[in-house]
Amino acid sequence: GESVGLHLPTLSVQEGDNSIINCAYSNSASDYFIWYKQESGKGPQFIIDIRSNMDKRQGQRVTVLLNKTVKHLSLQIAATQPGDSAVYFCAENAGGTSYGKLTFGQGTILTVHP
Amino acid sequence: DAGVIQSPRHEVTEMGQEVTLRCKPISGHNSLFWYRQTMMRGLELLIYFNNNVPIDDSGMPEDRFSAKMPNASFSTLKIQPSEPRDSAVYFCASRSTGTNYGYTFGSGTRLTVV
Repeated sequence: GESVGLHLPTLSVQEGDNSIINCAYSNSASDYFIWYKQESGKGPQFIIDIRSNMDKRQGQRVTVLLNKTVKHLSLQIAATQPGDSAVYFCAENAGGTSYGKLTFGQGTILTVHP
Repeated sequence: DAGVIQSPRHEVTEMGQEVTLRCKPISGHNSLFWYRQTMMRGLELLIYFNNNVPIDDSGMPEDRFSAKMPNASFSTLKIQPSEPRDSAVYFCASRSTGTNYGYTFGSGTRLTVV
């Protein structure tokens, strides 16, 4: 029979635009969140993280926003560049007995057009 | 720092054969994780070790899969016998139980079982 794969959300932007990638997480007990970037043929690469006692954290060209009320996480990339094209994953750590164990979202494909 | 090193990068094997994937974590990291990535299921945690001890193997698909960590600098994931549905990219990741939970991934082993 025909196999059905994950239908990843996609985001296409022009070079220089700002990008916003969203993620809904499931576990209200999660206390730590990370965004990873995965380029073709490579392993996921850490971008930025945030703890549940924060609602915003900024890095170089990237900002992560956390809304615990609606269990929503977003990654903002400023002045997006072609090198930012990749699949972006959010990951959550539920703490407690699953200390250190990250659960990954399905991912979002970001395509940056020059 | 050479990062997390996985071998082989690609493996093609026939159904029924034994397959062994290898991982060398970052020196000083005391947690090691094995993930599997497929289009159907995304990134799935198979098993993780803390200080060489398996902590959670609930993600291991079935008895055909086994993982070992004989010392702090080496881990293996073995599939015996392999089946076509095991075809995937297998990632190893490691981290240090420090101030954050973010971990570093290897480049992965692409396994194809024919």
